[in-house]
Amino acid sequence: AQTVTQSQPEMSVQEAETVTLSCTYDTSESDYYLFWYKQPPSRQMILVIRQEAYKQQNATENRFSVNFQKAAKSFSLKISDSQLGDAAMYFCAYNAGNMLTFGGGTRLMVKP
Amino acid sequence: DTEVTQTPKHLVMGMTNKKSLKCEQHMGHRAMYWYKQKAKKPPELMFVYSYEKLSINESVPSRFSPECPNSSLLNLHLHALQPEDSALYLCASSQDPRANKGYTFGSGTRLTVV
Repeated sequence: AQTVTQSQPEMSVQEAETVTLSCTYDTSESDYYLFWYKQPPSRQMILVIRQEAYKQQNATENRFSVNFQKAAKSFSLKISDSQLGDAAMYFCAYNAGNMLTFGGGTRLMVKP
Repeated sequence: DTEVTQTPKHLVMGMTNKKSLKCEQHMGHRAMYWYKQKAKKPPELMFVYSYEKLSINESVPSRFSPECPNSSLLNLHLHALQPEDSALYLCASSQDPRANKGYTFGSGTRLTVV
């Protein structure tokens, strides 16, 4: 079974600074997809960024980028120029077929 | 329309009540999902519907009964729930069952069983 691990239950960052959230996963598949989801207090899960395992190039979406290390099975999220609105729970997720497997989540706090 | 709409947003029900949660999407997505999320925990998969057919049931108790009347609508019927069933229930959809582009989630129904 696939597992996704987020080793940081909580992280804190100063506004305008950069923060990196860690994620590792375990799989025997070669073709899969990885995601970062954000869940603010409003409850809705919002897709932040996705990465296809067969692509070596790291995905970027504006202030959000990933460091995908396939051999190490690592998929970290970097948030640059952090904003107050980035405060939320962040979930790393893995998909190799027909369902998402989520990590335990990291609560990100942004200090003004 | 790029949303998944869930109703109601909040629900309080007694252990002998029967209620239903509703989920709707008009993006033409052919896979829909029910997740249960406890506080400070990740979502846990309950059911997967692919092309309107139930494809995955993650050993969910029979007091939860899913229904997919058409490709845009997903219901979750609730009966004789227990207080430990209190949680946020999230609906999601994806273009197809492989979900390569991820899921689109609704904002959830906060369920309290008293």
